[in-house]
Amino acid sequence: IAGITQAPTSQILAAGRRMTLRCTQDMRHNAMYWYRQDLGLGLRLIHYSNTAGTTGKGEVPDGYSVSRANTDDFPLTLASAVPSQTSVYFCASSAIQGPNQPQHFGDGTRLSIL
Amino acid sequence: AQSVTQLGSHVSVSEGALVLLRCNYSSSVPPYLFWYVQYPNQGLQLLLKYTSAATLVKGINGFEAEFKKSETSFHLTKPSAHMSDAAEYFCAVSGSSNTGKLIFGQGTTLQVKP
Repeated sequence: IAGITQAPTSQILAAGRRMTLRCTQDMRHNAMYWYRQDLGLGLRLIHYSNTAGTTGKGEVPDGYSVSRANTDDFPLTLASAVPSQTSVYFCASSAIQGPNQPQHFGDGTRLSIL
Repeated sequence: AQSVTQLGSHVSVSEGALVLLRCNYSSSVPPYLFWYVQYPNQGLQLLLKYTSAATLVKGINGFEAEFKKSETSFHLTKPSAHMSDAAEYFCAVSGSSNTGKLIFGQGTTLQVKP
């Protein structure tokens, strides 16, 4: 079934450790996004990529980095995890960039930083 | 800047009753608006979207929403609630730039009582 695969599904991590959340899509979508979901705040955009080779900062980019070496993969890296990065992380994609494009979401990665 | 406000973090209805989830937006440009649903431990799924073609938008699972520019609202309704509608619902507006970035409301949890 076509869609977005995120890994791991959940992780407990010690503060200060480096962590990469993986996201792969098989829909050949050009645009991809990383959001974090926190109770009472909805989803907030961390980083995005409109096409392979390009990335941009979202609403809450500090402490996170991304890369987009190819169309299918969009990993999110926490260089040195802090407890405030405890959250549920969602990867999403859309066929093309544009304000009227619906986004397709993965099932999320639940990350706890201790 | 654009923003979304969902009125009521929790809404409880009886099975068979009308569902009304409220969403108000702020946008300096004509908005594109979306409703997403999230079931427990899953990602977000698109319910419907408004892209200026028609003010009354029909979505999946019997949901619909009406765009009212004068009220800056995009409320979600369903005539008769089912137990399976219990989930969290997010209203979102597309970003002011042409990048497809979504700005989400805080979310409304819908409880359906038997």
